[in-house]
Amino acid sequence: AQKITQTQPGMFVQEKEAVTLDCTYDTSDPSYGLFWYKQPSSGEMIFLIYQGSYDQQNATEGRYSLNFQKARKSANLVISASQLGDSAMYFCAMGGTSYGKLTFGQGTILTVHP
Amino acid sequence: NAGVTQTPKFQVLKTGQSMTLQCAQDMNHNSMYWYRQDPGMGLRLIYYSASEGTTDKGEVPNGYNVSRLNKREFSLRLESAAPSQTSVYFCAIYSGNWNQPQHFGDGTRLSIL
Repeated sequence: AQKITQTQPGMFVQEKEAVTLDCTYDTSDPSYGLFWYKQPSSGEMIFLIYQGSYDQQNATEGRYSLNFQKARKSANLVISASQLGDSAMYFCAMGGTSYGKLTFGQGTILTVHP
Repeated sequence: NAGVTQTPKFQVLKTGQSMTLQCAQDMNHNSMYWYRQDPGMGLRLIYYSASEGTTDKGEVPNGYNVSRLNKREFSLRLESAAPSQTSVYFCAIYSGNWNQPQHFGDGTRLSIL
């Protein structure tokens, strides 16, 4: 069984600063993918970034980067230069080899202060 | 969201009523999923369809049934709605390639009184 743990119910950050959202995972699958999604107050799920378990380099997408530490089973999301529009719920998710099913963490609410 | 259309967007039911949530895609992906999101929680998988003609249970299937009508459409049915099924329901699709992550519909907000 797969498990995702997000230990930060809420995080606060000043505009233009960087913030790290924590995610740890557990799985017995040898191959898996790790994902971060953003859910603004409007409710839609927005894909941010993906990391494959065999990828040698940490994934980056614009202001988003994924700090992947396989031995520690962690996949933290780093948002650089925070913007007011980054205020939202952030979910870490994992998919294994079984038909793309995703397991989600409980989420972290990020609030960006001006 | 482009590619995944869920209907309806909102619905209020009384306990015991039945309802079908519809999901349609135009991206020609093989796999389709139904998740539910309860307040303060992440999404949990209800049922999925790896390909046309197949369906399987996810983490929380009790009280639901699904139909993969064709490659485009995947419906979720509540036969006898219960207040515990009050939730936001998301349909998602997946191509089979991790570099193309799951795409989600905008969700259906369902309240059961």
